[in-house]
Amino acid sequence: GENVEQHPSTLSVQEGDSAVIKCTYSDSASNYFPWYKQELGKGPQLIIDIRSNVGEKKDQRIAVTLNKTAKHFSLHITETQPEDSAVYFCAANRQAGTALIFGKGTTLSVSS
Amino acid sequence: DAGVTQSPTHLIKTRGQQVTLRCSPKSGHDTVSWYQQALGQGPQFIFQYYEEEERQRGNFPDRFSGHQYPNYSSELNVNALLLGDSALYLCASRRDRGRPGTKKDTQYFGPGTRLTVL
Repeated sequence: GENVEQHPSTLSVQEGDSAVIKCTYSDSASNYFPWYKQELGKGPQLIIDIRSNVGEKKDQRIAVTLNKTAKHFSLHITETQPEDSAVYFCAANRQAGTALIFGKGTTLSVSS
Repeated sequence: DAGVTQSPTHLIKTRGQQVTLRCSPKSGHDTVSWYQQALGQGPQFIFQYYEEEERQRGNFPDRFSGHQYPNYSSELNVNALLLGDSALYLCASRRDRGRPGTKKDTQYFGPGTRLTVL
């Protein structure tokens, strides 16, 4: 089955710096890759997603890139702010609406 | 427009007991999935319900069962609780029925129910 690995497990940056989180997946048939942000005591919140027919997607300070050949995708956050501090999860699934397979998460800390 | 809601927010049970968790999907959504999130880990898929039937199941024992009602709300039941069942239980919903080309992938999560088994 699908396996998703996420790196790094923790990431500390200064306010205004960029942050990059990387994920690799094992199932070449996976075609949907969402990113979720989870704050303490809350459920995961979808922040951006990308489908396999697109190489890059951007939404304000957040962007996601996908390399299907290498089977990896990355989350880029520019001009980080303290409120970006949270746990970020990548995920993948093979078919629309089926189970999401999550990475283990990255704890991002943005210090001012 | 209410998002995904779950109840209760917290629950404490003892080993061997049974528990029922509840979820109301986001308005307009008809498919509900349940995930278990252990401390410091990513969510793990338990099962998915659509049209009141279990459509897909993850690697969880039969002690975990569910139900979906005609109004699309759902319940997760866990029997014979073990200490290892302590986790945050998340419900996610999405819309399966839609116009051709509707993006069916996007799942929205609720705040979760924190279950502690003593």
